[in-house]
Amino acid sequence: DTGVSQDPRHKITKRGQNVTFRCDPISEHNRLYWYRQTLGQGPEFLTYFQNEAQLEKSRLLSDRFSAERPKGSFSTLEIQRTEQGDSAMYLCASSPTWARAENTEAFFGQGTRLTVV
Amino acid sequence: GNSVTQMEGPVTLSEEAFLTINCTYTATGYPSLFWYVQYPGEGLQLLLKATKADDKGSNKGFEATYRKETTSFHLEKGSVQVSDSAVYFCALSGPYSGAGSYQLTFGKGTKLSVIP
Repeated sequence: DTGVSQDPRHKITKRGQNVTFRCDPISEHNRLYWYRQTLGQGPEFLTYFQNEAQLEKSRLLSDRFSAERPKGSFSTLEIQRTEQGDSAMYLCASSPTWARAENTEAFFGQGTRLTVV
Repeated sequence: GNSVTQMEGPVTLSEEAFLTINCTYTATGYPSLFWYVQYPGEGLQLLLKATKADDKGSNKGFEATYRKETTSFHLEKGSVQVSDSAVYFCALSGPYSGAGSYQLTFGKGTKLSVIP
C-alpha cells in the first residue's frame, strides 16, 4: 500500500464549473476525512466518513459541496458552481478504527490543488 | 471552540542551531496533541504526538512535551539540519462530536528554512 492517494494533483477550472476530486485511502482504514487548506493557513476540517456513512460536516461545507464514499473505500468531493474563493488545497486523510480515535495518527494524501479562474 | 496558536514564521536558522517553535492551544476536555510536517512537494506527515499531560513525544531528534498547566506543546530540536527545512503544523484532536470523528484542529503552520 502506497498511502493515501488523491487525484488529480492539480485542477484549474473556470468560475461556475463543477469539479470532482477523488481520494483513495489506505486500505482497511475505515475513517476518512476531507480538509481544505488555503495559502498561509493550516488545514480546516470539512467532513468525515466512517465506512460509507458521512457522519459529520463542517459549517465550511456549503450546499455547493458534496462528498460521497459509496462503498466505504474511495471517496469523492464535488464542488458545484465553483467560485474563486474555492481556490485551495483539498486534503484527504484516513485513519484506522481499531485504535482510539483521539490518539490515532491521520495519514494524509498529497492533496488536490484547485485554482478557480 | 478548539484552537491552536503557533509561532509566526518564517524561521531561518543556520545548520546545527537550536530550534523552538511555540505552540499553545485552547480546547475542551483532554485532547491529544500532534506535530505534523510538510516537506516541499509532499503531503502532511506525523512528526510526533502526545496523548496526555506530561507526555513527551519524540522523533528524528525533535521533541515536544504536553504541558497542561500552560496549554502548550512547543517543538524543539537541538541541532537542525538542512533536511529539516519544511512547514511545521501543531494540531490537536477534537472537538469530539459524538459521531466518532476526531478531526484535527491545526495551527497556521511555521515555515522553517535551514541554511548551510
